[in-house]
Amino acid sequence: DAGVIQSPRHEVTEMGQEVTLRCKPISGHDYLFWYRQTMMRGLELLIYFNNNVPIDDSGMPEDRFSAKMPNASFSTLKIQPSEPRDSAVYFCASSPKVLYNSPLHFGNGTRLTVT
Amino acid sequence: GQQLNQSPQSMFIQEGEDVSMNCTSSSIFNTWLWYKQDPGEGPVLLIALYKAGELTSNGRLTAQFGITRKDSFLNISASIPSDVGIYFCAGQRLMNRDDKIIFGKGTRLHILP
Repeated sequence: DAGVIQSPRHEVTEMGQEVTLRCKPISGHDYLFWYRQTMMRGLELLIYFNNNVPIDDSGMPEDRFSAKMPNASFSTLKIQPSEPRDSAVYFCASSPKVLYNSPLHFGNGTRLTVT
Repeated sequence: GQQLNQSPQSMFIQEGEDVSMNCTSSSIFNTWLWYKQDPGEGPVLLIALYKAGELTSNGRLTAQFGITRKDSFLNISASIPSDVGIYFCAGQRLMNRDDKIIFGKGTRLHILP
């Protein structure tokens, strides 16, 4: 099992540019989560999907952020336009079912730097 | 919104020392989880707790689900260099099927040479 795969590992971009982060969940997992990690705010849940359908996007900071899951094996998180305050590590995680007795499996993250 | 207060924020210890950290909340949680994050990687689940009062061990790690369901602690005995990292507590209310997991801000563990 390859685990949750995220790409790229690092992204450096200039303010105003569009950024797309990618995630491949573990095969067979029904849930997919996008988290953002910063020193100040810790791990924040941005959005999560169940069977490719967005369930809760209340953590998405603003309209510049959007996420899609076109199929069970792929999801994207897009920021357009990017701003320096978006700099953070973005994690994707997947889970096989409702979270009780079912841990989150995290990818290794994408470190985003917006200059 | 729900918050988990995790303490201490960071710890500096000598190799071989025991470590204790805890997590508290103003809300009741029905599940408590402890994750560890190594540098450059995502968090990995260490211990999951599902019943108030439950005490669970995983090697040198021991965690307990508080009786009030508003707190949990994690102990590490005889620390070793590979214990360095960030430890997160997480809780879930499970009031409905899609209840989210809430994470604390983490305890950074440093081991002095």
